[in-house]
Amino acid sequence: GAGVSQTPSNKVTEKGKYVELRCDPISGHTALYWYRQSLGQGPEFLIYFQGTGAADDSGLPNDRFFAVRPEGSVSTLKIQRTERGDSAVYLCARKQGRGYTFGSGTRLTVV
Amino acid sequence: AQSVSQHNHHVILSEAASLELGCNYSYGGTVNLFWYVQYPGQHLQLLLKYFSGDPLVKGIKGFEAEFIKSKFSFNLRKPSVQWSDTAEYFCAVNTDTGNQFYFGTGTSLTVIP
Repeated sequence: GAGVSQTPSNKVTEKGKYVELRCDPISGHTALYWYRQSLGQGPEFLIYFQGTGAADDSGLPNDRFFAVRPEGSVSTLKIQRTERGDSAVYLCARKQGRGYTFGSGTRLTVV
Repeated sequence: AQSVSQHNHHVILSEAASLELGCNYSYGGTVNLFWYVQYPGQHLQLLLKYFSGDPLVKGIKGFEAEFIKSKFSFNLRKPSVQWSDTAEYFCAVNTDTGNQFYFGTGTSLTVIP
């Protein structure tokens, strides 16, 4: 989406491996969000950053998931010991007014 | 927690037919309401939004939605669909004080030429 870049666009990994998904809000918005969209579902909230800190990480499913945003701009979502159930599209979004602008997402497939 | 229900999971229409997609939410306070569209292979895009004022809001591509507070609904409508409207449609809700959106499960619309 315009203004939010996510890389890679596709990632295939083996079960048990570690992956990193990157989000660059480009225009440097303070508020940044990660969502996960599983097949046949709407996006589900994972974590929200205000600046460098995670203001709300209540949506992270377990401690295998972690996200950072060390300089308050680019954010990385990290998944350890991936499982097949982690397969989904991971979306990043920045706040724009009272709405969101979403990135194109990273499609993660765990085989 | 808030929840959003989209009753139609799959809708198939012929071109020029009228469209109405249902959306209901559960939250008693003030909400902001959105419809997002996801065309095949593309990212989520904002179709329209409601914050306050006139409950009938108009969005892009001829779409409109009506907020009915008493029914906790925000249904999406279009008088005459086109083949290019084939996409997944998501209703979403947040509050002015909330940090996150709550999305419905989506409605897949297929328009047959």
